[in-house]
Amino acid sequence: DTAVSQTPKYLVTQMGNDKSIKCEQNLGHDTMYWYKQDSKKFLKIMFSYNNKELIINETVPNRFSPKSPDKAHLNLHINSLELGDSAVYFCASSPWLWTSLDTQYFGPGTRLTVL
Amino acid sequence: AQTVTQSQPEMSVQEAETVTLSCTYDTSESNYYLFWYKQPPSRQMILVIRQEAYKQQNATENRFSVNFQKAAKSFSLKISDSQLGDTAMYFCAFMNRVNAGNMLTFGGGTRLMVKP
Repeated sequence: DTAVSQTPKYLVTQMGNDKSIKCEQNLGHDTMYWYKQDSKKFLKIMFSYNNKELIINETVPNRFSPKSPDKAHLNLHINSLELGDSAVYFCASSPWLWTSLDTQYFGPGTRLTVL
Repeated sequence: AQTVTQSQPEMSVQEAETVTLSCTYDTSESNYYLFWYKQPPSRQMILVIRQEAYKQQNATENRFSVNFQKAAKSFSLKISDSQLGDTAMYFCAFMNRVNAGNMLTFGGGTRLMVKP
């Protein structure tokens, strides 16, 4: 059984389009994250949500809007896609703060290519 | 803000030998976690090992062990008896335990090639 799943795994689209990436976790975790990995493999946090509430927004352009309908899902919607948005996007989840189980579990990633 | 530095962009090792990957970090915090994640060509991020800063004993997981030097802010990963399946990108990561939303800060990665 997949613990953290993302759809789609690959996404190719034109500049200016709007697209969404979905993430679901079946681990019962309270906290979910989005990370971006650029072409040089550098990984950087974008957002974190705890129980559907935004905790971290790391100066991501407002074209990126995360949406958490419930604590098992954190979707990423991107408006007006730009060439620089091409990257691999990883969803992750973990139990909430102040527990001893802070390990984050990652999804398989979504490779977004903007043409 | 925390920074994590991996000074070795690429490394190679012969199968069955031992290799050590370096990681240093900069923080003013005292309560934090450190992690090593592996990213094979499949792209999946896999946790290799974790270390809590308050523990002096170095973490070990089978063939993987760390050398945690808190004063020096160093957290190296040793892989013993290297196997072909260890070929991957390895990322060192830092997590502040307090007031940081469990955010992971990653180093730039080390690409490890295990040669037969």
